[in-house]
Amino acid sequence: AQSVTQPDIHITVSEGASLELRCNYSYGATPYLFWYVQSPGQGLQLLLKYFSGDTLVQGIKGFEAEFKRSQSSFNLRKPSVHWSDAAEYFCATRVQMIKAAGNKLTFGGGTRVLVKP
Amino acid sequence: DGGITQSPKYLFRKEGQNVTLSCEQNLNHDAMYWYRQDPGQGLRLIYYSQIVNDFQKGDIAEGYSVSREKKESFPLTVTSAQKNPTAFYLCASSMFPPAGGYTFGSGTRLTVV
Repeated sequence: AQSVTQPDIHITVSEGASLELRCNYSYGATPYLFWYVQSPGQGLQLLLKYFSGDTLVQGIKGFEAEFKRSQSSFNLRKPSVHWSDAAEYFCATRVQMIKAAGNKLTFGGGTRVLVKP
Repeated sequence: DGGITQSPKYLFRKEGQNVTLSCEQNLNHDAMYWYRQDPGQGLRLIYYSQIVNDFQKGDIAEGYSVSREKKESFPLTVTSAQKNPTAFYLCASSMFPPAGGYTFGSGTRLTVV
């Protein structure tokens, strides 16, 4: 079964510094990949998604992610972090072309981002 | 605007009571999902439904029940059999298959008092 790993449970970054959140997926085929953000006490908001094509994907709020097939990774980046980026971030995947497994998304455990002034 | 609405935002339950959490969407999505979120445990799938009048158990269905009588609605009942119901509950919806990902509601925080 496919799985998604977010190796970092917490990351602390200074405001204005760059941010990179790691995501690795286990399935061999090219999956559908997603990044979501969750502010405290809120639902999840979709930041960006990748299906195919250009491996560098632009999202909302100044985020981007790069799909690297050789590393089974889909890392999220932001060049300059704002205090409002403090939140929890979830990576998710859906595997294409396998009917049963493709019916749902699989989520990583999340990475909590703290932003220092 | 299209979206997914969860109500209430906060809910308090006495021990031994059943409570029902509401989830309504006007996105014309086929599939709907319920997740439970506890600190440090990510998202855990309770139930999901891909079409009206059909639903499937997720990873932690014990102590919960759902119905899907209308495409727009997927209420979750937390029964007295759920031993530790205090948590944040998230509802989501998507097309089927979920090629575009899920749209989430803003959540319901349930507390047992």
